[in-house]
Amino acid sequence: DAGVIQSPRHEVTEMGQEVTLRCKPISGHNSLFWYRQTMMRGLELLIYFNNNVPIDDSGMPEDRFSAKMPNASFSTLKIQPSEPRDSAVYFCASSFHPRETQYFGPGTRLLVL
Amino acid sequence: KQEVTQIPAALSVPEGENLVLNCSFTDSAIYNLQWFRQDPGKGLTSLLLIQSSQREQTSGRLNASLDKSSGRSTLYIAASQPGDSATYLCAVDVDYKLSFGAGTTVTVRA
Repeated sequence: DAGVIQSPRHEVTEMGQEVTLRCKPISGHNSLFWYRQTMMRGLELLIYFNNNVPIDDSGMPEDRFSAKMPNASFSTLKIQPSEPRDSAVYFCASSFHPRETQYFGPGTRLLVL
Repeated sequence: KQEVTQIPAALSVPEGENLVLNCSFTDSAIYNLQWFRQDPGKGLTSLLLIQSSQREQTSGRLNASLDKSSGRSTLYIAASQPGDSATYLCAVDVDYKLSFGAGTTVTVRA
């Protein structure tokens, strides 16, 4: 298996623009997680899905952030409009069950100017 | 709110020395604890997962212990190698969500 796939790997955009991050989980995994990592705040859970259904989005910072999982093999995290403070590395992870070992993707490094 | 602390923040040892990494958490009502490794510019790789009912878990040169009542876990890496240089993060599962520590950055000198 190729592991968790994220795209793009790097994104540079200007403040106010819409940003869409993509994730393909490991085939057969039922749970998908979106995390954000910054120097100041470390690694934070934004939202997680189980069987394509959002279970907990309490970590989503603002209404500017939204996430979808239209099917078992694809998820998106969208930021609209983007702000400089959204600059971070965004990771997607998947697992068979929310409480089992999570497998992380390589991350998307986002820079908002 | 669960607070996870890892001390020290950085550690440098000569090759061959055993590594001891510490993790503490404030809420003992955890379901499990996981140790991850992160290489620069890369994602996280899971090393060990300890269920709350377990006292330790082993994989090769790695051994992790868990004392839930005192809110502590320790990761031991035996006979360290330069390839062990990375940042090691612990995370605790409470209510189906992982809370991460800030990590310990390890440098193993050849």
